[in-house]
Amino acid sequence: KQEVTQIPAALSVPEGENLVLNCSFTDSAIYNLQWFRQDPGKGLTSLLLIQSSQREQTSGRLNASLDKSSGRSTLYIAASQPGDSATYLCAVYGEGGADGLTFGKGTHLIIQP
Amino acid sequence: AAGVIQSPRHLIKEKRETATLKCYPIPRHDTVYWYQQGPGQDPQFLISFYEKMQSDKGSIPDRFSAQQFSDYHSELNMSSLELGDSALYFCASSPGLAGGRWETQYFGPGTRLLVL
Repeated sequence: KQEVTQIPAALSVPEGENLVLNCSFTDSAIYNLQWFRQDPGKGLTSLLLIQSSQREQTSGRLNASLDKSSGRSTLYIAASQPGDSATYLCAVYGEGGADGLTFGKGTHLIIQP
Repeated sequence: AAGVIQSPRHLIKEKRETATLKCYPIPRHDTVYWYQQGPGQDPQFLISFYEKMQSDKGSIPDRFSAQQFSDYHSELNMSSLELGDSALYFCASSPGLAGGRWETQYFGPGTRLLVL
C-alpha cells in the first residue's frame, strides 16, 4: 500500500526566505505527483503536477522536483510571502491499486511578516 | 475559468439520517473523484467514476453509494449517518486519460458535513 510522508510537519520562517518542503512515497510506480495548497477549512488548490516522466515543474515562485526512483519530491518556494501561509499537501497517483490520489499529511507553513 | 461546483457547501444532519452531496465537474471533464477529509486528517479517496461508470473504490463505507449521471454530475449518497462521518467531502474532476497520462485533478470547495 502506498504511503506518503511529508517533512517537516510544520514550518515557520520569516518573510523573504527561500524554503523547501519534502515529500517521500513508498511505491515508485506512480503516474504523477501533485502538490496542493489548503487554507484552513478550505478546499484544495492544485499548485503543480509532475508526470512520472518529468523531473521538475515550475510555476512562478514555486518549483517542484521529482525523483521517482528514490520516491522523493521537493517543493521549493522562493522569496516567501505571508500569503504563502497554508498547509501544503503532496499526493501521488499510483499505477496500481486505487484510482484516487494518496495524500501525505501535509506541511503546515507559516510565513512571519 | 469554470471550476468544480459542490452543493451544498454546509450540511447538518442527525445520526441515522441520510445525506446527498452533489458535484458538478468542470465542463468536458469525464472523470469524477470523491474524497473524505476528517478533522486534522489528509483526504482519503472514496470512489471514482469515468464516463459514467464506476472506475474504482477506495475506503468508501458500505453505507455510502455514488453515481455519475449522463450530464457527468455526480452524487454521493450517505445513509445511516454516524458521528464519525462528520468531515469535509471533496469532489475532484479531471479530463481523465489524455495523451496516455493522467491529468491534474481539480478539487471543488468541498461540502462540510456535521453529524450530530
